[in-house]
Amino acid sequence: GENVEQHPSTLSVQEGDSAVIKCTYSDSASNYFPWYKQELGKRPQLIIDIRSNVGEKKDQRIAVTLNKTAKHFSLHITETQPEDSAVYFCAAKGGSARQLTFGSGTQLTVLP
Amino acid sequence: GAGVSQSPSNKVTEKGKDVELRCDPISGHTALYWYRQSLGQGLEFLIYFQGNSAPDKSGLPSDRFSAERTGGSVSTLTIQRTQQEDSAVYLCASSGRGTGISGANVLTFGAGSRLTVL
Repeated sequence: GENVEQHPSTLSVQEGDSAVIKCTYSDSASNYFPWYKQELGKRPQLIIDIRSNVGEKKDQRIAVTLNKTAKHFSLHITETQPEDSAVYFCAAKGGSARQLTFGSGTQLTVLP
Repeated sequence: GAGVSQSPSNKVTEKGKDVELRCDPISGHTALYWYRQSLGQGLEFLIYFQGNSAPDKSGLPSDRFSAERTGGSVSTLTIQRTQQEDSAVYLCASSGRGTGISGANVLTFGAGSRLTVL
């Protein structure tokens, strides 16, 4: 089945700096890659997603890039703010899998 | 309903007891997922229901875990003879058909059921 690895597990940045979180996946047939944000004590919520026929997608301060050849995708957050502090999960789905496989999560802390 | 509802929000039980966790998905959503999140850990897939198809049970960690979905709506996750390592937050999510692959795969999560096994 699909295996998703996520790095780093923790990331601290100064407010205003950029943050990058990287994920790799194993199933070359995967075609859908969402990112979820989970604030402390709350449920995960989708923040951005990308399909395999697209190399990059942006939504205001967040962007996701996908390299199908290398089987990795990344989340980029620019001009970070304290409210960006949360755990971020990447995920992959496609091929024969019917469920999303999540990465292990990245605890992002934005320091004021 | 407006969102995914889970109950109970908190459950404390003694080792060896059985527990049932309930999930009420968004009305009309055909897909329902159960994930487990241990303290400070990622989201571990447990089971997936899609319409009338046979569920994908490949993530259930042992035969003490089972789940059913009645009438294509409400789902119950049952853990028999609970162990301390079962302590975690159990998250339910649902997704609808939407348009295109993104819409059909966007998961809406419930608030979770926090299980503590003493």
